[in-house]
Amino acid sequence: EAEVAQSPRYKITEKSQAVAFWCDPISGHATLYWYRQILGQGPELLVQFQDESVVDDSQLPKDRFSAERLKGVDSTLKIQPAELGDSAMYLCASTLTTGRVNEQFFGPGTRLTVL
Amino acid sequence: DAKTTQPTSMDCAEGRAANLPCNHSTISGNEYVYWYRQIHSQGPQYIIHGLKNNETNEMASLIITEDRKSSTLILPHATLRDTAVYYCIVGGTNAGKSTFGDGTTLTVKP
Repeated sequence: EAEVAQSPRYKITEKSQAVAFWCDPISGHATLYWYRQILGQGPELLVQFQDESVVDDSQLPKDRFSAERLKGVDSTLKIQPAELGDSAMYLCASTLTTGRVNEQFFGPGTRLTVL
Repeated sequence: DAKTTQPTSMDCAEGRAANLPCNHSTISGNEYVYWYRQIHSQGPQYIIHGLKNNETNEMASLIITEDRKSSTLILPHATLRDTAVYYCIVGGTNAGKSTFGDGTTLTVKP
């Protein structure tokens, strides 16, 4: 069964350092989402892509976070510089497309710890 | 998008039906109800969705009230592996814009 791949699974970094997370969605899925999940809370949408274009990044802290999906396939989420409050699980999800009802398929996530 | 209200936690005996409620009193006419679950340390998993009619699949049943202000997810024969956080979210076809909330922690006990 096809799955959303994410790497690394775990990342420990010091504050003020740069970190990057990678996501490879299910083949053929045009829509890709990045979420942040703080321990004990539900996922919060950070950014949504439709192919290579950003559809929604209203909740993305743009002063330190950036996301790209250059060829409309895999995607990278970057934080620079990392802050203590960025410690969380970062989840990637994909769907076939928007505009119709489709379930999101989530990856296993990257757990970030900022020291 | 409409917000949802779910109980913080619930227990269920193994083999019994688990009924998880969700209130979404501000849902609009074109918004769907989606259910996901998240087993510890894994990404969320889609379970089921519905608009107006009750829905059933191999995982669960979704019962939506006639006024659509609330719904119930039913796991007919809960197993220990169903222990997870269950999220009810409401939104349009772009489910990603919907708010997950904090969900219900379901604990299935032997």
